[in-house]
Amino acid sequence: NAGVTQTPKFQVLKTGQSMTLQCAQDMNHNSMYWYRQDPGMGLRLIYYSASEGTTDKGEVPNGYNVSRLNKREFSLRLESAAPSQTSVYFCASSEAFVGNTEAFFGQGTRLTVV
Amino acid sequence: KQEVTQIPAALSVPEGENLVLNCSFTDSAIYNLQWFRQDPGKGLTSLLLIQSSQREQTSGRLNASLDKSSGRSTLYIAASQPGDSATYLCAVPHYGGSQGNLIFGKGTKLSVKP
Repeated sequence: NAGVTQTPKFQVLKTGQSMTLQCAQDMNHNSMYWYRQDPGMGLRLIYYSASEGTTDKGEVPNGYNVSRLNKREFSLRLESAAPSQTSVYFCASSEAFVGNTEAFFGQGTRLTVV
Repeated sequence: KQEVTQIPAALSVPEGENLVLNCSFTDSAIYNLQWFRQDPGKGLTSLLLIQSSQREQTSGRLNASLDKSSGRSTLYIAASQPGDSATYLCAVPHYGGSQGNLIFGKGTKLSVKP
């Protein structure tokens, strides 16, 4: 029972490099989310996709882009990584938008930008 | 703006003790409240989702209560065990801005000593 799967688990980037964080869920959920977790700041929403084919900005979208590839997959792209993007990134999903149903989280991607 | 606060930030108890973790929120117009557990270096595991119409929700040794009018929720852990050591987070959905935005507290780090 995989739930929400994120790849990679760890990544080190140099400033200016690009990369894509992958997320897939096998629970047939409609809504998917990307959060970042920073010490002292807690978890903050970057982007979300309320349903397949739609994406919207969250609290901290600058420097990121997303793609809802299909119902299962939601990717987060850093076009030109900056040290301020060093963080732990979590993907989450829920049956509907979070207000109605329980959210399930992946194990996280620990990203360091040097 | 909704704010979620968890006090204390850290708690250390001997094994077997019953304990209560606190969560408070500033806007009582919430749809639900969710409690999560996060182990070091891991993702978030959903523990309990309590709807705004509910007063309590139970799962095994865990019991969550919700008092919307006072803006408070508590997570009661009975007969604590060393395996309960983790950071416990509470979260409520945000409305009016980004749908699907969970507002998290900064967590209570629990240590249960054998």
